Amino acid sequence: AQTVTQSQPEMSVQEAETVTLSCTYDTSESNYYLFWYKQPPSRQMILVIRQEAYKQQNATENRFSVNFQKAAKSFSLKISDSQLGDTAMYFCAFMADLNSGGSNYKLTFGKGTLLTVNP
Amino acid sequence: GAGVSQTPSNKVTEKGKYVELRCDPISGHTALYWYRQSLGQGPEFLIYFQGTGAADDSGLPNDRFFAVRPEGSVSTLKIQRTERGDSAVYLCASSFRLAGKDTQYFGPGTRLTVL
Repeated sequence: AQTVTQSQPEMSVQEAETVTLSCTYDTSESNYYLFWYKQPPSRQMILVIRQEAYKQQNATENRFSVNFQKAAKSFSLKISDSQLGDTAMYFCAFMADLNSGGSNYKLTFGKGTLLTVNP
Repeated sequence: GAGVSQTPSNKVTEKGKYVELRCDPISGHTALYWYRQSLGQGPEFLIYFQGTGAADDSGLPNDRFFAVRPEGSVSTLKIQRTERGDSAVYLCASSFRLAGKDTQYFGPGTRLTVL
């Protein structure tokens, strides 16, 4: 079974600054995906970024980028130029690759990090 | 296009009552998932549909929980004899089941409160 650990229950950052959220995971799968989802108070779970484990290049989406360290099973999210609208819960999640055996459709989530961006 | 929608947004019920939660997935998505999110936790998997059939219902906590997807689109999560411990946000997600296109997109959830 997979586990996802987010060791920072809460973080805060000043507007326009950079912040990094941590995530580690444990799996025996060789092919998998990692995700960061954002959940604002509206409850809508919004995909922020996705990383395929077979890709060495770290994924980026505008102000969001990841530091994927496969050997260390670490997947951190960096938010640059933080904006007030980035205030939300951030969840790290794991899913086995479609071509893996077993539960290759089930997202396993961490407990989340509450990020507050201060003006 | 339209995203995943869920109704109702909030549901308050009394212990012992029956409730139905509805999910309308993104058009064309063949896979549909239900998750439950308790306060202060990440979502936990309940059930996965591929088309009309439940491919994996191992996450359903007990036999009071049941879900259907009769026409391969809209799904209903049904909870019988509700208990206070069932109070949570119930999230629905949908996706394609194609390599590289299997990202799950979530609805806004239904907050269920059992008094």
